[in-house]
Amino acid sequence: DGGITQSPKYLFRKEGQNVTLSCEQNLNHDAMYWYRQDPGQGLRLIYYSQIVNDFQKGDIAEGYSVSREKKESFPLTVTSAQKNPTAFYLCASTPRTGPGDYGYTFGPGTRVTVV
Amino acid sequence: AQSVAQPEDQVNVAEGNPLTVKCTYSVSGNPYLFWYVQYPNRGLQFLLKYITGDNLVKGSYGFEAEFNKSQTSFHLKKPSALVSDSALYFCAVRALNSGNTPLVFGKGTRLSVIA
Repeated sequence: DGGITQSPKYLFRKEGQNVTLSCEQNLNHDAMYWYRQDPGQGLRLIYYSQIVNDFQKGDIAEGYSVSREKKESFPLTVTSAQKNPTAFYLCASTPRTGPGDYGYTFGPGTRVTVV
Repeated sequence: AQSVAQPEDQVNVAEGNPLTVKCTYSVSGNPYLFWYVQYPNRGLQFLLKYITGDNLVKGSYGFEAEFNKSQTSFHLKKPSALVSDSALYFCAVRALNSGNTPLVFGKGTRLSVIA
């Protein structure tokens, strides 16, 4: 079955540590997105990528970095500069961007906790 | 700029009663509108979408939504609520002619259906 996988499901980060969240899709989707979910704040966009080797900052990119070397993969690194990384992180993809009726397919999420 | 408002953080309804989860939006031009549902510690699942055509859109699990252009609203409805409908619901929007801008999500409404 096609879909999006995210790993790990739970991640514990020590202060000052960089950690990387994996997002892989086998849907042949062009665009991929990372959202952060905090209670009462909904989903906030961190980064997105519409094609390989290109990505754009979202509303809360500070303290995060991404890469898009392959169409199927869009890993997110939470750097030591992100002072409050405790949240639920969601990856999503869509067939293509631009005018059209394409909603997003979401992965199951990764919960990051600072220890 | 695009924005979505979900004015109610929490909606409580008795099982068997009709339910409504409210959403209003702001975009330049015509909107694409979506509803997603999230169960605890899971990713978001697509419920329904409005692109063009009939103002009443039918989706998964018996849900429907009514697009009202004059009131810029897209309320989610179900004639008879089930306990299993209890979840977090998100409304999302993007403008028809917004190029490649990502979906903007509301803050979510928690629906609690009481037996």
